[in-house]
Amino acid sequence: NAGVTQTPKFQVLKTGQSMTLQCAQDMNHEYMSWYRQDPGMGLRLIHYSVGAGITDQGEVPNGYNVSRSTTEDFPLRLLSAAPSQTSVYFCASSYYPSSGANVLTFGAGSRLTVL
Amino acid sequence: AQSVTQLDSQVPVFEEAPVELRCNYSSSVSVYLFWYVQYPNQGLQLLLKYLSGSTLVESINGFEAEFNKSQTSFHLRKPSVHISDTAEYFCAVSNSGGSNYKLTFGKGTLLTVNP
Repeated sequence: NAGVTQTPKFQVLKTGQSMTLQCAQDMNHEYMSWYRQDPGMGLRLIHYSVGAGITDQGEVPNGYNVSRSTTEDFPLRLLSAAPSQTSVYFCASSYYPSSGANVLTFGAGSRLTVL
Repeated sequence: AQSVTQLDSQVPVFEEAPVELRCNYSSSVSVYLFWYVQYPNQGLQLLLKYLSGSTLVESINGFEAEFNKSQTSFHLRKPSVHISDTAEYFCAVSNSGGSNYKLTFGKGTLLTVNP
């Protein structure tokens, strides 16, 4: 049981480049989400999805796109990377809403540096 | 809107000493409360949660937290810490009803256990 798998673990981009952070889970979780973690800021929600074909914005969505074509995958796209997007990104999933409370399982993280 | 305040950004302690990591929250509705732990270079893992019932909740590795509704607190305690408890600890809150998908995280407390 792999849980939540994120790729790549590390990435360096130049300003203006695009890339996709991949997230896959094998737990048949309905809910998937992306957070960014910055020093002294805790975790901030970027986008989330409550099922295939359904996505919505979190508190810091600007500069990021998502889609959810399957239950298993929830990629995060940066269309034109900016230095402000240098961060550690975490994908997290859960059985919510069927479980009542949103108890998240996190991936190991993807560290992105934008030069 | 909810908010979480972790009162200490860093807590250094010696091995076998007791520790308390403080968490206060603000919400106009009933809440679920969580503590997550992040070991170095890893993703977050659920440590314990309060959903309902007994206000004292425990983890398998000796941590406990008590939900105090009147003081809007959910402090994390351990009577005797180990070197292996060195990690960053995040308190999180969500609504207990309605659209309770959204977790609001605190900024984290770095616990460093010294020999």
